[in-house]
Amino acid sequence: GQNIDQPTEMTATEGAIVQINCTYQTSGFNGLFWYQQHAGEAPTFLSYNVLDGLEEKGRFSSFLSRSKGYSYLLLKELQMKDSASYLCASSNDYKLSFGAGTTVTVRA
Amino acid sequence: KAGVTQTPRYLIKTRGQQVTLSCSPISGHRSVSWYQQTPGQGLQFLFEYFSETQRNKGNFPGRFSGRQFSNSRSEMNVSTLELGDSALYLCASGMTGENEKLFFGSGTQLSVL
Repeated sequence: GQNIDQPTEMTATEGAIVQINCTYQTSGFNGLFWYQQHAGEAPTFLSYNVLDGLEEKGRFSSFLSRSKGYSYLLLKELQMKDSASYLCASSNDYKLSFGAGTTVTVRA
Repeated sequence: KAGVTQTPRYLIKTRGQQVTLSCSPISGHRSVSWYQQTPGQGLQFLFEYFSETQRNKGNFPGRFSGRQFSNSRSEMNVSTLELGDSALYLCASGMTGENEKLFFGSGTQLSVL
């Protein structure tokens, strides 16, 4: 089965760094995705990890440890436009199993 | 290049009715998957189609069904609507549907009264 946990809410100041943790317990795990979803909009792809380690893409980085069932998304130099919901999802058998999402609020 | 197109954008139905939602994937994408999003349950997988074949199905009752056409467009149908079916229904497309970036449509917001 799929069990994905991530914090419900996080608040940070503009220019700061925030780390969103995600733990998963899934069978047949193939990879870990992060999506961003602004209120009233479609989710958009941020990152994908299939091997252990850190993937860096501009201000956003994602880390995966398969042995620990753990991932995190790191958002650096936060901007107001980064206020959104961040969704962790495991990939298996042509489907994504999503966590409930972490709402990040960036304050001025 | 056009994105994933879902129609209609909003829909209001009453209990017991049935509804059909449509999804046109990005040109060249052959995988289409459907998700239900509610405030309480988050994003839940409904089903995935590739080349007109359903390859996986989520834990939803048989009232939820779908299909894919030869041009990769997909429809999902919900029969005998219940109040709890009120949700945002999202469609996502990809080249293969496996371990790849998916592109989501803006969704159909269904309200059941």
